[in-house]
Amino acid sequence: KAGVTQTPRYLIKTRGQQVTLSCSPISGHRSVSWYQQTPGQGLQFLFEYFSETQRNKGNFPGRFSGRQFSNSRSEMNVSTLELGDSALYLCASSAGTGGYQETQYFGPGTRLLVL
Amino acid sequence: AQKVTQAQTEISVVEKEDVTLDCVYETRDTTYYLFWYKQPPSGELVFLIRRNSFDEQNEISGRYSWNFQKSTSSFNFTITASQVVDSAVYFCALTLYNQGGKLIFGQGTELSVKP
Repeated sequence: KAGVTQTPRYLIKTRGQQVTLSCSPISGHRSVSWYQQTPGQGLQFLFEYFSETQRNKGNFPGRFSGRQFSNSRSEMNVSTLELGDSALYLCASSAGTGGYQETQYFGPGTRLLVL
Repeated sequence: AQKVTQAQTEISVVEKEDVTLDCVYETRDTTYYLFWYKQPPSGELVFLIRRNSFDEQNEISGRYSWNFQKSTSSFNFTITASQVVDSAVYFCALTLYNQGGKLIFGQGTELSVKP
Protein backbone atom coordinates (compact mmCIF):
# COMPACT_ATOMS: atom_id res chain seq x y z
CA LYS A 1 0.00 0.00 0.00
CA ALA A 2 1.44 3.37 -0.93
CA GLY A 3 2.20 5.77 1.87
CA VAL A 4 1.17 9.36 2.32
CA THR A 5 2.30 11.47 -0.60
CA GLN A 6 2.89 15.19 -0.59
CA THR A 7 3.47 17.56 -3.46
CA PRO A 8 5.51 19.47 -4.18
CA ARG A 9 8.49 18.29 -2.16
CA TYR A 10 10.31 21.61 -2.34
CA LEU A 11 9.07 25.11 -2.91
CA ILE A 12 10.63 28.55 -2.98
CA LYS A 13 8.40 31.60 -2.69
CA THR A 14 8.84 35.26 -1.92
CA ARG A 15 7.23 37.26 0.86
CA GLY A 16 3.66 38.25 0.16
CA GLN A 17 2.95 35.37 -2.19
CA GLN A 18 0.60 32.54 -1.42
CA VAL A 19 1.21 28.82 -1.62
CA THR A 20 -0.87 25.65 -1.82
CA LEU A 21 0.43 22.30 -0.64
CA SER A 22 -1.17 18.98 -1.46
CA CYS A 23 -1.49 15.73 0.46
CA SER A 24 -2.82 12.34 -0.59
CA PRO A 25 -3.48 10.02 2.35
CA ILE A 26 -2.88 6.30 2.48
CA SER A 27 -5.58 4.52 0.51
CA GLY A 28 -8.60 3.99 2.75
CA HIS A 29 -7.54 6.56 5.32
CA ARG A 30 -10.10 9.26 5.90
CA SER A 31 -8.47 11.64 8.37
CA VAL A 32 -5.72 14.05 7.46
CA SER A 33 -3.70 16.30 9.74
CA TRP A 34 -1.10 18.94 8.98
CA TYR A 35 1.95 19.94 11.02
CA GLN A 36 4.58 22.62 10.70
CA GLN A 37 8.16 21.85 11.68
CA THR A 38 10.70 24.61 12.28
CA PRO A 39 14.04 24.56 14.14
CA GLY A 40 12.78 27.09 16.65
CA GLN A 41 9.25 25.89 17.38
CA GLY A 42 9.57 22.21 16.60
CA LEU A 43 6.57 20.26 15.40
CA GLN A 44 3.29 22.12 15.74
CA PHE A 45 -0.21 21.03 14.86
CA LEU A 46 -1.96 23.06 12.20
CA PHE A 47 -5.32 21.37 11.57
CA GLU A 48 -7.15 18.10 11.21
CA TYR A 49 -9.80 17.06 8.69
CA PHE A 50 -12.27 14.25 8.49
CA SER A 51 -15.07 13.87 5.99
CA GLU A 52 -14.30 17.27 4.43
CA THR A 53 -14.76 18.99 7.79
CA GLN A 54 -12.14 20.66 9.90
CA ARG A 55 -12.25 18.86 13.22
CA ASN A 56 -9.50 20.63 15.05
CA LYS A 57 -7.29 23.66 14.57
CA GLY A 58 -3.97 24.66 16.06
CA ASN A 59 -2.85 28.08 17.14
CA PHE A 60 -1.93 29.60 13.80
CA PRO A 61 -3.09 32.84 12.17
CA GLY A 62 -5.92 32.88 9.67
CA ARG A 63 -3.40 33.04 6.81
CA PHE A 64 -3.15 29.29 7.23
CA SER A 65 -6.12 27.41 5.88
CA GLY A 66 -6.92 24.00 4.58
CA ARG A 67 -9.55 21.81 3.09
CA GLN A 68 -10.31 18.20 2.41
CA PHE A 69 -11.94 16.75 -0.66
CA SER A 70 -14.43 13.92 -0.95
CA ASN A 71 -11.64 11.49 -1.87
CA SER A 72 -9.87 12.42 1.42
CA ARG A 73 -7.09 14.30 -0.34
CA SER A 74 -6.23 17.52 1.40
CA GLU A 75 -4.67 20.85 0.60
CA MET A 76 -3.35 23.57 2.82
CA ASN A 77 -2.91 27.16 1.78
CA VAL A 78 -0.77 29.91 3.24
CA SER A 79 -1.53 33.41 2.07
CA THR A 80 0.65 36.50 2.35
CA LEU A 81 3.77 34.50 3.09
CA GLU A 82 6.19 35.71 5.74
CA LEU A 83 9.83 34.75 6.22
CA GLY A 84 8.83 32.85 9.35
CA ASP A 85 6.64 30.51 7.32
CA SER A 86 9.75 28.79 6.02
CA ALA A 87 9.38 25.28 7.35
CA LEU A 88 8.84 21.63 6.64
CA TYR A 89 5.11 21.01 6.32
CA LEU A 90 4.12 17.47 7.16
CA CYS A 91 0.86 15.77 6.37
CA ALA A 92 -0.36 12.69 8.22
CA SER A 93 -3.28 10.35 7.72
CA SER A 94 -5.11 7.90 9.94
CA ALA A 95 -7.65 5.22 9.26
CA GLY A 96 -10.56 6.33 11.39
CA THR A 97 -12.37 9.50 12.26
CA GLY A 98 -9.34 11.26 13.65
CA GLY A 99 -9.59 10.24 17.28
CA TYR A 100 -6.87 10.56 19.87
CA GLN A 101 -6.22 6.82 19.81
CA GLU A 102 -5.39 6.58 16.14
CA THR A 103 -1.92 6.19 14.77
CA GLN A 104 -1.00 8.88 12.29
CA TYR A 105 1.26 8.01 9.37
CA PHE A 106 3.31 10.81 7.94
CA GLY A 107 4.33 11.81 4.45
CA PRO A 108 7.80 13.02 3.42
CA GLY A 109 6.82 16.66 3.80
CA THR A 110 7.01 19.78 1.68
CA ARG A 111 9.97 22.00 2.43
CA LEU A 112 8.96 25.63 1.92
CA LEU A 113 11.50 28.42 1.74
CA VAL A 114 10.24 31.99 1.81
CA LEU A 115 12.69 34.63 0.56
CA ALA B 1 -1.32 22.79 30.18
CA GLN B 2 -0.27 19.76 28.24
CA LYS B 3 3.37 19.37 27.43
CA VAL B 4 5.98 16.82 26.37
CA THR B 5 9.60 17.28 27.42
CA GLN B 6 12.57 15.54 25.92
CA ALA B 7 15.42 16.95 27.95
CA GLN B 8 18.16 15.34 25.90
CA THR B 9 18.71 17.47 22.82
CA GLU B 10 21.55 15.39 21.39
CA ILE B 11 23.03 12.03 22.29
CA SER B 12 26.09 10.48 20.74
CA VAL B 13 27.01 6.83 21.24
CA VAL B 14 29.29 4.29 19.68
CA GLU B 15 27.78 1.38 17.81
CA LYS B 16 26.62 -1.52 20.01
CA GLU B 17 26.10 0.69 23.04
CA ASP B 18 22.68 0.77 24.66
CA VAL B 19 20.97 4.15 24.77
CA THR B 20 17.85 5.44 26.51
CA LEU B 21 15.86 8.41 25.27
CA ASP B 22 13.84 10.14 27.96
CA CYS B 23 10.31 11.48 27.59
CA VAL B 24 8.33 13.20 30.33
CA TYR B 25 4.79 14.41 29.74
CA GLU B 26 2.39 16.70 31.57
CA THR B 27 -1.38 16.46 31.50
CA ARG B 28 -4.23 16.49 33.98
CA ASP B 29 -6.24 14.22 31.72
CA THR B 30 -6.46 10.57 32.63
CA THR B 31 -7.21 9.38 29.11
CA TYR B 32 -4.49 9.84 26.56
CA TYR B 33 -2.09 8.11 24.22
CA LEU B 34 1.68 8.36 23.96
CA PHE B 35 3.66 7.84 20.78
CA TRP B 36 7.24 7.61 19.60
CA TYR B 37 8.28 8.60 16.09
CA LYS B 38 11.63 8.45 14.32
CA GLN B 39 12.69 11.11 11.82
CA PRO B 40 15.64 10.11 9.65
CA PRO B 41 17.45 12.75 7.54
CA SER B 42 14.91 12.25 4.74
CA GLY B 43 12.38 14.07 6.93
CA GLU B 44 9.49 11.63 7.06
CA LEU B 45 8.27 10.76 10.55
CA VAL B 46 8.17 7.01 11.04
CA PHE B 47 5.79 5.59 13.62
CA LEU B 48 7.39 3.34 16.23
CA ILE B 49 4.89 2.71 19.00
CA ARG B 50 1.75 3.96 20.72
CA ARG B 51 0.61 3.28 24.27
CA ASN B 52 -2.65 4.22 25.96
CA SER B 53 -2.76 5.69 29.44
CA PHE B 54 -4.35 2.58 30.94
CA ASP B 55 -1.71 0.17 29.74
CA GLU B 56 1.53 0.39 31.68
CA GLN B 57 3.00 -2.79 30.31
CA ASN B 58 6.46 -2.38 28.95
CA GLU B 59 7.00 -3.40 25.37
CA ILE B 60 9.88 -4.91 23.51
CA SER B 61 10.24 -5.06 19.75
CA GLY B 62 13.56 -6.43 18.62
CA ARG B 63 16.26 -4.06 19.82
CA TYR B 64 13.68 -1.47 20.88
CA SER B 65 11.94 -1.35 24.24
CA TRP B 66 9.68 1.15 25.94
CA ASN B 67 9.12 1.78 29.63
CA PHE B 68 5.89 3.58 30.57
CA GLN B 69 5.53 4.78 34.16
CA LYS B 70 2.48 6.83 35.04
CA SER B 71 3.83 7.50 38.52
CA THR B 72 6.64 9.58 37.03
CA SER B 73 4.78 10.60 33.82
CA SER B 74 7.52 9.10 31.74
CA PHE B 75 7.61 7.04 28.57
CA ASN B 76 11.25 6.21 27.91
CA PHE B 77 12.66 4.48 24.87
CA THR B 78 15.71 2.22 24.93
CA ILE B 79 17.68 0.98 21.94
CA THR B 80 19.82 -2.03 22.73
CA ALA B 81 23.03 -2.64 20.79
CA SER B 82 22.62 0.54 18.76
CA GLN B 83 23.48 0.59 15.07
CA VAL B 84 24.50 3.37 12.71
CA VAL B 85 21.07 3.10 11.03
CA ASP B 86 19.47 4.17 14.32
CA SER B 87 20.90 7.66 13.81
CA ALA B 88 17.90 9.99 13.57
CA VAL B 89 15.82 12.44 15.54
CA TYR B 90 13.34 10.74 17.84
CA PHE B 91 10.12 12.40 18.94
CA CYS B 92 7.81 11.55 21.79
CA ALA B 93 4.22 12.78 21.43
CA LEU B 94 0.93 12.90 23.31
CA THR B 95 -2.72 12.93 22.24
CA LEU B 96 -5.60 13.72 24.56
CA TYR B 97 -9.10 12.30 24.66
CA ASN B 98 -10.82 15.63 24.06
CA GLN B 99 -8.43 16.95 21.42
CA GLY B 100 -8.90 14.40 18.66
CA GLY B 101 -5.86 13.55 16.64
CA LYS B 102 -3.77 16.54 17.66
CA LEU B 103 -0.27 15.28 18.41
CA ILE B 104 1.63 17.31 21.00
CA PHE B 105 5.30 16.73 20.29
CA GLY B 106 8.41 17.04 22.41
CA GLN B 107 11.38 18.90 20.99
CA GLY B 108 13.05 15.70 19.86
CA THR B 109 16.32 13.98 20.68
CA GLU B 110 18.94 13.74 17.96
CA LEU B 111 20.71 10.41 18.25
CA SER B 112 24.04 9.92 16.54
CA VAL B 113 25.45 6.41 16.45
CA LYS B 114 29.08 6.30 15.39
CA PRO B 115 30.77 3.20 13.95
